[in-house]
Parts: sequence; structure tokens; C-alpha cells
Amino acid sequence: ETGVTQSPTHLIKTRGQQVTLRCSSQSGHNTVSWYQQALGQGPQFIFQYYREEENGRGNFPPRFSGLQFPNYSSELNVNALELDDSALYLCASSLIGANTEAFFGQGTRLTVV
Amino acid sequence: RKEVEQDPGPFNVPEGATVAFNCTYSNSASQSFFWYRQDCRKEPKLLMSVYSSGNEDGRFTAQLNRASQYISLLIRDSKLSDSATYLCVVNYESNFGNEKLTFGTGTRLTIIP
Repeated sequence: ETGVTQSPTHLIKTRGQQVTLRCSSQSGHNTVSWYQQALGQGPQFIFQYYREEENGRGNFPPRFSGLQFPNYSSELNVNALELDDSALYLCASSLIGANTEAFFGQGTRLTVV
Repeated sequence: RKEVEQDPGPFNVPEGATVAFNCTYSNSASQSFFWYRQDCRKEPKLLMSVYSSGNEDGRFTAQLNRASQYISLLIRDSKLSDSATYLCVVNYESNFGNEKLTFGTGTRLTIIP
């Protein structure tokens, strides 16, 4: 088990609503990356947060936004939910500059109806 | 064209057999390469890093061919516990901790008793 925890584990939302997903990073890590994994696909990089600022972004629209807090935990916010946003959302924490791997949380499974 | 391409399988292989997975990547600027393992409804976990010189970890051997932009994974003497989805992953960053990972779709492997 990694020290990365995500909440909630499952969530059902209606199209057009907004959602906030949370990630607590592993102790000692300073970077959080978010990924979206649709059914039958590999995870896709959404964005990364380092020192409370966005540090790189994948091909996702602006309605996907995030925050990182002083304790390095992070939130992913998605506005105006669409049916295609249904997926497993994974966060990964890491320590920039250290020769150690990133660790993934167990994910939040979001269903948009 | 996808940045990382893998045969999605499924591969159904008898216990004890040797199985090989391949993947190709399109961006020659990619810096680091990995194989991740993902069990059903779980988070991805790092299986091994991949180097041009080839690397081995027990029954697992990984190889990178930068000229052909090709990555391979060989599993010898397969066990029932090897059943999982194997994700080919590339990263544009050269150091651990700053991963913005690009995943393939994954290859599903089932080991048959």
C-alpha cells in the first residue's frame, strides 16, 4: 500500500454539475500529478502541481482545474461535467529531484449520468 | 497516431509459458521508459524501468531500442499471479519525481492454469 490516498472512492454526478476530487500525497513528496483513465484505456496526464502551482498540463480543457495546498495535498475540479468525463481519476505523488518513483493513489471512480 | 502504441490483447497464456509484449512510441524526445502493471480496478504500479542496455528483474526482462523507438517486456515461467494489464509508459523528463507520464492503452494478460 502506498501512502497516497484519494477521496471519495466512488462518485455519481449529473451532466452539467461540478465535482471536486481530493488527493493526499505520500509523506515527503512535494509533487502531485493527476490522470484520467477511461474504461479500456491507459491513464492520460491531466496536469501536475509543484509548489502550489501548475507545472505542466496535458490536452484537457480549462474546465479541468486544480489546486495544491501547503501540505502538498491537491484537488482536481471539473466544471460542467460531460458524460465522457466518466472515468477513473488517479493522482500520483512524487518528489522532484529524488531518484524514486511516483506512487499512485487507488483512484476515484466518477460516473456522470 | 497514438504517442505510445501497444497491442491491447488479450493474451491468454498457459502457466509456465514465456510471453512477450512490445510497444512503440512516437516522440523521439522521450527520456525515460517504464512498464507498469495494473490489476483489475486498482491503481497502476511500477513494474520496472527500461534501459537501452536491457534490464532484468527475476523472471522479467525489459529492453529499449531507441533507434526503432521500441520497448519490450519478456515474462518467463509465467505464474497465475502475473495476470494483469501491462502498461507501456514513456516520460519526457529524465529524472524520477518529475513524471508527466504517457501511457499506452495496456496489454491484458491472463495466465491459464
